[in-house]
Amino acid sequence: GAVVSQHPSRVICKSGTSVKIECRSLDFQATTMFWYRQFPKKSLMLMATSNEGSKATYEQGVEKDKFLINHASLTLSTLTVTSAHPEDSSFYICSARTTTTGELFFGEGSRLTVL
Amino acid sequence: GNSVTQMEGPVTLSEEAFLTINCTYTATGYPSLFWYVQYPGEGLQLLLKATKADDKGSNKGFEATYRKETTSFHLEKGSVQVSDSAVYFCALESYNFNKFYFGSGTKLNVKP
Repeated sequence: GAVVSQHPSRVICKSGTSVKIECRSLDFQATTMFWYRQFPKKSLMLMATSNEGSKATYEQGVEKDKFLINHASLTLSTLTVTSAHPEDSSFYICSARTTTTGELFFGEGSRLTVL
Repeated sequence: GNSVTQMEGPVTLSEEAFLTINCTYTATGYPSLFWYVQYPGEGLQLLLKATKADDKGSNKGFEATYRKETTSFHLEKGSVQVSDSAVYFCALESYNFNKFYFGSGTKLNVKP
C-alpha cells in the first residue's frame, strides 16, 4: 500500500529552540495532508489541514505562529514547532490523502520531547 | 458537532477469544466510518470502513456494521490472535469530506 514517511521519528530539543518535522508521501501525490497531535490515552487531535501551494487551515485553538506548516510540493509537508516548550512535548502524526482514490494514509509519527 | 466515543482499554483476551470493541458516534450529515489499527512502533493503518448505513466493513477476520439507528460501529472478531495485539481507533469522516474525527483508541492485548 501507499507509504507516508515522517522524519525524525524521535527528537529531543531544548526549550526555546525550533524543531522541524517532515512528512513525505513516498509513492503517491497528495494535495492534502493533515497534522495531528496525539496525547497519552487520548484521541488524535487534528491540528491543521495542509494544502499544496496554499496556506494551511488551522483548527480552533491551534496557534498558527507556534506550529508553522508548509506544503511546498505534492509529496512533502513540514511542521515546525517554534520556540518549543515542555508542554509541546507530544506525538505528532501526519496523514496524506491520495489525489487518485482519496484514501488517507498515516505516517509513523514523530515523538517530540522538549527539555 | 462530530465526535467518536469508544470503549476504554486495555482489553486483555486469551488467544481464540471473541472480541468486541464498542464505538459510537455523533455526526451531522452522513459520515463514513472507519477502524484504524496501530501496531507497536508503526503508523495507523486502515483496517476496515463503511460508507453508508447497514454497510459491513470486513478485513483480516474483523467486521463492523454501520448502524445508523444506534449510531454505532462496533468492531468484532470471532477468534483473536496474539498478532492482533495493537491499539484500535474508531473514526468518522465528516460528510464534507475533509476532516477525520478519532476516538481515543482501545489497546488490545492478546495472550497466548
